[in-house]
Amino acid sequence: QKEVEQNSGPLSVPEGAIASLNCTYSDRVSQSFFWYRQYSGKSPELIMSIYSNGDKEDGRFTAQLNKASQYVSLLIRDSQPSDSATYLCAVITSGSRLTFGEGTQLTVNP
Amino acid sequence: SQTIHQWPATLVQPVGSPLSLECTVEGTSNPNLYWYRQAAGRGLQLLFYSIGIDQISSEVPQNLSASRPQDRQFILSSKKLLLSDSGFYLCAWSGGANEQFFGPGTRLTVL
Repeated sequence: QKEVEQNSGPLSVPEGAIASLNCTYSDRVSQSFFWYRQYSGKSPELIMSIYSNGDKEDGRFTAQLNKASQYVSLLIRDSQPSDSATYLCAVITSGSRLTFGEGTQLTVNP
Repeated sequence: SQTIHQWPATLVQPVGSPLSLECTVEGTSNPNLYWYRQAAGRGLQLLFYSIGIDQISSEVPQNLSASRPQDRQFILSSKKLLLSDSGFYLCAWSGGANEQFFGPGTRLTVL
């Protein structure tokens, strides 16, 4: 079992829709969770961090964390073509290592 | 504000040649520093991390090495490149929190 798993996609949504990106992790003691956005050919950019159960909102982005289910998600409201990118879920696992999923490719169609 | 630099941006090297990639961070002191590699269409693989000058931990045995000669400088090296060393090399830094911030990366092609 991978430490951090994401659906590879591609996920395609129309402009203005809600994009939902999901991530599960295997280490029950993980406490820190992150979402990065990576445009093609560019380096990852941190867009959200979440540490407590529940929702955390930042503009059009909402991160959701459920530690009991070992599940973290990212919702993008009013999706724009500029949101088209690969989204990487990352989790601090045992040994304080930041472990990345392989990413979900999102395409927002105009 | 903090800034992280990497150079070169792109590099094409023959098999068996040496490698030196450099990363520097501005605007922070005593950062944790990291080297990752991302193969085409794949996730990020942690190669090395450092919590201080001359303190390097290796995550994956391979023909690469890392050094940290100054607080905000991190160097990735190889004596002889392999074809499998091709990829996108990313340097990252973190401060007191666990958040890591990436540099622009170096795209290495080994021919």
